[in-house]
Amino acid sequence: RKEVEQDPGPFNVPEGATVAFNCTYSNSASQSFFWYRQDCRKEPKLLMSVYSSGNEDGRFTAQLNRASQYISLLIRDSKLSDSATYLCVVNFYSSASKIIFGSGTRLSIRP
Amino acid sequence: GAGVSQSPSNKVTEKGKDVELRCDPISGHTALYWYRQRLGQGLEFLIYFQGNSAPDKSGLPSDRFSAERTGESVSTLTIQRTQQEDSAVYLCASSYGTSGYNEQFFGPGTRLTVL
Repeated sequence: RKEVEQDPGPFNVPEGATVAFNCTYSNSASQSFFWYRQDCRKEPKLLMSVYSSGNEDGRFTAQLNRASQYISLLIRDSKLSDSATYLCVVNFYSSASKIIFGSGTRLSIRP
Repeated sequence: GAGVSQSPSNKVTEKGKDVELRCDPISGHTALYWYRQRLGQGLEFLIYFQGNSAPDKSGLPSDRFSAERTGESVSTLTIQRTQQEDSAVYLCASSYGTSGYNEQFFGPGTRLTVL
């Protein structure tokens, strides 16, 4: 089983739709969580950190469920510019940090 | 201010040759990370530095790979005796503070092609 798993997609949704992705992780000692966005042939950029209480940034909402070991990303009122690959990132620490990126979920927004 | 820079942006080499990839992190960032991304795939974590120390080198794919960092600044990733499966984009990132807990800022990557 992969340490961090994401549905690769692609998710193809119309503009204005609400779309949600999940990401599961296997190590219960995981300590910090992030969503990054990667546009085609570009470097990843931080979209948002994921906090235990859940957090919202405009149209984006991230949640963490430690009991079930998953994080989620919800995008409301999707825009064409939201088309990208969304990467789930999990960090856990034993003797050193181990940072695991999921393989990403591709999202395509159509007009 | 300046972001993370990497050089070269593209490198084409012949199988068996050694290559050296360079990363200049954002000034003041104590943590530095190297990743590999093969075409159409996710990021594979290779190694990170906290200051000049690499606490865990187990992510490096083989003993042909090595990395160092000096002056809590520039880092180099060296691949010896390159193989075709080493072809990928090598991404460097840096962050402020303790590794893994803060936003990582990525460089544009070095695209390595091994013929």
